[in-house]
Amino acid sequence: EPEVTQTPSHQVTQMGQEVILRCVPISNHLYFYWYRQILGQKVEFLVSFYNNEISEKSEIFDDQFSVERPDGSNFTLKIRSTKLEDSAMYFCASIGTGRREQYFGPGTRLTVT
Amino acid sequence: SQQGEEDPQALSIQEGENATMNCSYKTSINNLQWYRQNSGRGLVHLILIRSNEREKHSGRLRVTLDTSKKSSSLLITASRAADTASYFCATGPDSNYQLIWGAGTKLIIKP
Repeated sequence: EPEVTQTPSHQVTQMGQEVILRCVPISNHLYFYWYRQILGQKVEFLVSFYNNEISEKSEIFDDQFSVERPDGSNFTLKIRSTKLEDSAMYFCASIGTGRREQYFGPGTRLTVT
Repeated sequence: SQQGEEDPQALSIQEGENATMNCSYKTSINNLQWYRQNSGRGLVHLILIRSNEREKHSGRLRVTLDTSKKSSSLLITASRAADTASYFCATGPDSNYQLIWGAGTKLIIKP
């Protein structure tokens, strides 16, 4: 069964460093999402992406964040200058045409020290 | 405003019993979805119920939706130890595809 994959599974970085989190959505899906979950808290929407552009973003998704679909398969989330409070699990998700169920990757645990 | 609040926050029951979790939300929705998350792992989609549906079944899962009360419930029948996880409701608004999440119910099934 096709699935969303994410790499790395765990990333440790120092405050102020740039990180890129990678996702490979399910191949025929068209809508892509990033969410984050701070330990023990709710899942929070960050951004949605469709037709090679951001369709929506939350207040969390400030200028430090960017997304890109550099080729036909990868979908990346970049944090330019990480802060301690960026430590969280980051989940990528995708949706197929005409559907509403989101398929989630296993997540990347980002630890900012 | 917060959307998708589950209760209880935590539920501990014996294996074989039924587990019921509730979710309330505030704004109009296109659909409501339930997801499961095992500790420290990814989110697994369980079931989606559309705003014009009142009840839906999938295996041992039964979901109800009451749009007049802006609430939903997830019933897991004949619980198993493997059902131990956190369960989240997420609402899909009319206007877009993003999901708005509740805080989750931590379910523990005691063998």
